[in-house]
Amino acid sequence: GAVVSQHPSWVICKSGTSVKIECRSLDFQATTMFWYRQFPKQSLMLMATSNEGSKATYEQGVEKDKFLINHASLTLSTLTVTSAHPEDSSFYICSESIQGARETQYFGPGTRLLVL
Amino acid sequence: DAKTTQPPSMDCAEGRAANLPCNHSTISGNEYVYWYRQIHSQGPQYIIHGLKNNETNEMASLIITEDRKSSTLILPHATLRDTAVYYCIVRSKGGSEKLVFGKGTKLTVNP
Repeated sequence: GAVVSQHPSWVICKSGTSVKIECRSLDFQATTMFWYRQFPKQSLMLMATSNEGSKATYEQGVEKDKFLINHASLTLSTLTVTSAHPEDSSFYICSESIQGARETQYFGPGTRLLVL
Repeated sequence: DAKTTQPPSMDCAEGRAANLPCNHSTISGNEYVYWYRQIHSQGPQYIIHGLKNNETNEMASLIITEDRKSSTLILPHATLRDTAVYYCIVRSKGGSEKLVFGKGTKLTVNP
């Protein structure tokens, strides 16, 4: 299957700072990438859909000014958590959508964010 | 909201088959059944998907009932590494469609 990487794998930051998470498609050119968030003992919740060269589509209740998404190339999407607060501490996971016969999403390994 | 219903947890003995059920009684004609799993602290892993025919790959088999209202994921010889949360998801054909995750089934494979 497709390979998706995320960087960093974990990050600790102070409250009020901004954190950027990268999601890379290593063997496919992903037109669409998705960003999910997962709190402890809960399921994945979709935050936004990221389309190359256009603005991201955010799910209801997700603040687009707080979670900035950039998808400038077919292989890279970034999520920036601006002015992070302790309640933003979570597991952030991206996935890519492969167009074609398989029509399957492949997920990155996730980034664990801890805001102090 | 997720369109599927799964038992919250199951146990299986190592080496035995694990049969994970999923109900999707409101599935529509153009929706596929997808299965993913998530091992602790990792991103979800694609397992298999199907429309109406049974499917098999190197990881698992997917059995879909004739009325398509339920399905079963079968891991033929479960190992300890198969311990994970298994998610059954229905979605329309097309790579841009988002996945809606329910709570899944926590499968524990015991030695």
